[in-house]
Amino acid sequence: QQKVQQSPESLIVPEGGMASLNCTSSDRNVDYFWWYRQHSGKSPKMLMSIFSNGEKEEGRFTVHLNKASLHTSLHIRDSQPSDSALYLCAASHYAQGLTFGLGTRVSVFP
Amino acid sequence: GGIITQTPKFLIGQEGQKLTLKCQQNFNHDTMYWYRQDSGKGLRLIYYSITENDLQKGDLSEGYDASREKKSSFSLTVTSAQKNEMAVFLCASSNLQGAATGQLYFGEGSKLTVL
Repeated sequence: QQKVQQSPESLIVPEGGMASLNCTSSDRNVDYFWWYRQHSGKSPKMLMSIFSNGEKEEGRFTVHLNKASLHTSLHIRDSQPSDSALYLCAASHYAQGLTFGLGTRVSVFP
Repeated sequence: GGIITQTPKFLIGQEGQKLTLKCQQNFNHDTMYWYRQDSGKGLRLIYYSITENDLQKGDLSEGYDASREKKSSFSLTVTSAQKNEMAVFLCASSNLQGAATGQLYFGEGSKLTVL
């Protein structure tokens, strides 16, 4: 069973719209969450990280974290075609390797 | 800035063959990782290493061996390649081995095809 569950599997968003992605860990030992973005044919790049309960905003991207439910969400406002990519959620504990989810594929159409 | 170099970029092998992928980083990071990515899906951890000569198994270690000969390099061996095993193998590195893993930096990937 996947330890990091992401939903939805895919998302189609109109340009200028809002994309909302979800991620939950089933591992109670997890302390930290990460969001990575991977454009087609490229390697993943870290987008945002969140370690504390609450919200963190960077430009058009906002992440939320609820540590009690081990749930994080990523919101992209004013979506652009360049935001079309695979979004990977990852969780980690201490110095162990990050565990990734299967990803949400976001397609932004003009 | 640093860079992670994976070789080869493309690897084609025969079923049952032993195949080795190599990874070099010049970030001076302590921790290095090998992930497998199937068909544009999520990444699964094969092995990671928090220092030279250290090896830790991930969820997908069966069928693979790894070696951390020195801090800057981490190699992965597919012990017996399986037919139709098409995947991209991603090497990554990070600093901090303390309370949290640092941001991972990924190489460009090595694409494996087994005939």
